Formats: sequence, structure tokens, C-alpha cells
Amino acid sequence: QVQLQEAGPGLVKPSQTLSLTCSVSGGSMSSGSYYWTWIRQFPGKGLEYLGRIYYRGMTYYSPSLKSRLTISVNTSENQFFLTLTSVTAADSAVYYCAREPQFYFDSWSPGTLVTVS
Amino acid sequence: EIVLTQSPGTLSLSPGERATLSCRASQSVKNNYLAWYQQRPGQAPRLLINGVSNRATGIPDRFSGGGSGTDFTLTISRLEPEDFAVYYCQQYDGSLYTFGQGTKLEI
Repeated sequence: QVQLQEAGPGLVKPSQTLSLTCSVSGGSMSSGSYYWTWIRQFPGKGLEYLGRIYYRGMTYYSPSLKSRLTISVNTSENQFFLTLTSVTAADSAVYYCAREPQFYFDSWSPGTLVTVS
Repeated sequence: EIVLTQSPGTLSLSPGERATLSCRASQSVKNNYLAWYQQRPGQAPRLLINGVSNRATGIPDRFSGGGSGTDFTLTISRLEPEDFAVYYCQQYDGSLYTFGQGTKLEI
């Protein structure tokens, strides 16, 4: 059974860059059957899809974040990454990584709280 | 962008009762790309239903999904204590993913 675990700083200063790592275990990202995705949840509980990557490196980003967001992958380490530049308080949220078979999300990481302050 | 509106915001029921949760889309959801998730306090969302009506692996058969076009429902036939949580619907329209604002199911 696949498991995902995100890692990164819990506190980021405004205007700086947020970087998160998602480690995947229990299956190879290179199997080719899935996209690998980042989602965040705001303090008011709303969920926002950020973007995804395929193991070969193809990406899709939410239009609202496209100018600030980069998702990358390291298949040899079975990890993928989120980089969000020029963060503000509005980027404070719980960040999840997830597996996406076909436009839905069937495995989620526990989530990590990121505060911009 | 397709906006998903869930109702009611909060649903108060008792164990053993039947729960019906609604998710209404601002435009027709294509290709049945409609999913439901359960989120318990302090946990990540858990997939319940994909493709409008397909139960995810390990999900009890008391959970069922239905609907088409712009109106979708999640039904829990007989509530168990562990079912009291927040439920979200989610859609994909070919370019954007959106979530509903959630329905809290409380005792």
C-alpha cells in the first residue's frame, strides 16, 4: 500500500520561497499509472488543488499559481517537490501531497502546516 | 471554473440514521469526474467515491454516490459513530480541479 509523507519547514517568512518534499513508499513513482499532486487546505478548511507531475516530468499547474509554483520529481529517490516563491500570509495552509490515478486523489500524506509570518 | 456548492453546511443526525449530502455544480460535470472525500479531525481527506458512484478500495457499502449533470449526492445508509466527519465533493472539468466547501456531519 502506497504511503506519502511530506517534509519541510513549518514557518516561512513573507516574500521568501516555500519548499516541500514528498516521499513515496510502497510503490514506484515510475510505474506510470499515476500523477503526483500537491493540494493545500486553508485554515477555514477550503481545499485548493495546486498542481501535479508525471514521473517523466510533465507538469500541470493551477492557473492561479502558475507564475509562482514549480513541481519537480526525482524518481531515483521516489520523491517529488513543491517550490512556491514570493509567499504571503495567504499561502499559510496545511499542504498535502497525494496520488492521482485519474482526476481524483486516492492516497494522501498526513499534511504539514505551513505558516507564513 | 466550475463552483461546487454543498448542502447542508451542517447535518445533525444520530447513529443508525440515513444521511444524504448534496453537491451542486455551477455547470455540468463532464465525464463523471466527481469524487467524494471524508475528513476526520486532524486527518487528511480520504477518498470514498470516484467517478460519481464507484466506491474506493476498502470503503463500506453503506456509502453510495449518485447523480449526474449538475446534481450529485452522497448517501450513508446507516450511520456509524466513525462516520461523523466533514465530507467534500471534488470535480475536474478538463482544465481545473475544484472542491466544494464541505458538509459537516455531526451527532
